[in-house]
Amino acid sequence: QLQLQESGPGLVKPSETLSLTCTVSGGSISGTTHFWGWIRQPPGKGLEWIGSIFYSGSTYYNPSLKSRVTVSVDTSKNQFSLRLSSVTAADTAVYYCARGGSGWAYNWFDPWGQGTLVTVSS
Amino acid sequence: EIVLTQSPGTLSLSPGERATLSCRASQSVSGSYLAWYQQKPGQAPRLLIYGASSRATGIPDRFSGSGSGTDFTLTISRLEPEDFAVYYCQQYGSSLTFGGGTKVEIK
Repeated sequence: QLQLQESGPGLVKPSETLSLTCTVSGGSISGTTHFWGWIRQPPGKGLEWIGSIFYSGSTYYNPSLKSRVTVSVDTSKNQFSLRLSSVTAADTAVYYCARGGSGWAYNWFDPWGQGTLVTVSS
Repeated sequence: EIVLTQSPGTLSLSPGERATLSCRASQSVSGSYLAWYQQKPGQAPRLLIYGASSRATGIPDRFSGSGSGTDFTLTISRLEPEDFAVYYCQQYGSSLTFGGGTKVEIK
């Protein structure tokens, strides 16, 4: 059974870079033809897609965050990562990683990691 | 960007009742590329429906999805106690966007 687990600092200072890693178990990132994505949810609010990386390495980002986001993959560790630069309090959220589809026409998210709360504060 | 508007914001119903949730898109969603998720407090979202009407693995048949173009519906035929949660729609026809959610609460 495929499982995903987010990890990284729970507190980031304003203007710094948020870095999170998603470790995939129960399956190989390199052995599948899927998207791998990041979604966030500010406290008490809805879901926002951040960005995704395809197995080929192609990346796709939310236009509203594109200038600050980098998603990368490390197949040797079966992990993919998120970097969000120049963070502000508005970036405080629970960050989820999830598996996307095997192509854009199948790009729903399933399964999801449990999520990790990142707070931006000095 | 396709904006998804979910209504109502909150639905107050009793167990056993039928729930009808709406997701309206600002422009047509190509291929009916729309998914629905359920989220309970403190948990990650769970996929319910993809392709507007296909149930995900393990999802009970009381959950059904319908619609095309700009209007989509999630129906829960008879609410069970575990169905009280927040529901989100997501389109993947043009980039990826989520709706704002509908909370189904116990009346």
